[in-house]
Amino acid sequence: DAGVTQSPTHLIKTRGQQVTLRCSPISGHKSVSWYQQVLGQGPQFIFQYYEKEERGRGNFPDRFSARQFPNYSSELNVNALLLGDSALYLCASSLEGYNEQFFGPGTRLTVL
Amino acid sequence: GQNIDQPTEMTATEGAIVQINCTYQTSGFNGLFWYQQHAGEAPTFLSYNVLDGLEEKGRFSSFLSRSKGYSYLLLKELQMKDSASYLCAVRDGNAGNMLTFGGGTRLMVKP
Repeated sequence: DAGVTQSPTHLIKTRGQQVTLRCSPISGHKSVSWYQQVLGQGPQFIFQYYEKEERGRGNFPDRFSARQFPNYSSELNVNALLLGDSALYLCASSLEGYNEQFFGPGTRLTVL
Repeated sequence: GQNIDQPTEMTATEGAIVQINCTYQTSGFNGLFWYQQHAGEAPTFLSYNVLDGLEEKGRFSSFLSRSKGYSYLLLKELQMKDSASYLCAVRDGNAGNMLTFGGGTRLMVKP
């Protein structure tokens, strides 16, 4: 079975641009979470979606938004990119009621 | 809010035992997780504790004391491939079960 997949793998943008990152959860998983991981730090929670509804939101500005589709895949959008948005963006999926979150390989975003 | 502390770096010798500590403060504790992350890769799940005590899984064990806000990950019979970052994460039941991660402990295993 395929694990969590994310696209693209790497992305380079310039300040002020907008970016969309994509995530496909493990088949059967209805919950998707997004995390930002700056180099040398632990992941920081951005959003959680379950059954297409937002379940939780971390301490990120409104430039960050997300949505979940009927097939449970998800997109993370970041507007008006800043240099500080350069990071590894991780998507994790899980079964509702289960403890383990399975992480995808991440999208490395570089903002120049 | 939540606060999670773990050492930044540790070094140990192949074949030895190492203990990585994690302390936390949270309002709605609903479980503590340990993840392993090799450089450039995604975190992979190691263990989960929600009740006090020790959970053992092969060479890895994890301990939790809820009253002390304390956990540790114990790695036995260290191997070179255990060189990685180890992330402690706490789940907050008052915040949609979101995970809050510590900064990670970078473990270097030397021959």
